[in-house]
Amino acid sequence: AQTVTQSQPEMSVQEAETVTLSCTYDTSENNYYLFWYKQPPSRQMILVIRQEAYKQQNATENRFSVNFQKAAKSFSLKISDSQLGDTAMYFCALESSGYALNFGKGTSLLVTP
Amino acid sequence: DAGVIQSPRHEVTEMGQEVTLRCKPISGHDYLFWYRQTMMRGLELLIYFNNNVPIDDSGMPEDRFSAKMPNASFSTLKIQPSEPRDSAVYFCASSPRLQETQYFGPGTRLLVL
Repeated sequence: AQTVTQSQPEMSVQEAETVTLSCTYDTSENNYYLFWYKQPPSRQMILVIRQEAYKQQNATENRFSVNFQKAAKSFSLKISDSQLGDTAMYFCALESSGYALNFGKGTSLLVTP
Repeated sequence: DAGVIQSPRHEVTEMGQEVTLRCKPISGHDYLFWYRQTMMRGLELLIYFNNNVPIDDSGMPEDRFSAKMPNASFSTLKIQPSEPRDSAVYFCASSPRLQETQYFGPGTRLLVL
């Protein structure tokens, strides 16, 4: 079995500040992939960033980066220079061999002016 | 590419009626997924297909739900008879292979009265 836990239901950050969203997971597989998806009020699910478990280097995409701690099974998302358009639900997701994508419950992020 | 296309975007129906949701995946993607999103349960995988063949339907709630993929460019999710507890947003997603990014459609918001 595989599980994904997001312990922060809601977060708030001021524009231009940095915020970190937490995610922990559990899987018995060695080969797996981790994702952060964003769901703005439009409801569209959009990929933010993707990390292969076998890569030690943390993935980055512009203002978005992850802190992947494999031993601790932790996969946090850091958003730098937050923008109003970053306001959304953020979902952490895990996909390991033989299992389809498993989502956490989500963190609602509000970026304030 | 137009992305994953879902129709209808909104559906309001009465309890007991049949509901059919439709999805056109991205051309060339071999995997198609159906998800349901509710406040209580978050994002749940209902079923996924590989090359038009259902691989895992363990997430399908009960016999009232059925899904088909008659060809590589079309899939349906049918609920018959519908019940108020089926009210949710239903997403279709596609990907070229497992453990790759899934591309989501805009979702269908279903309300069963």
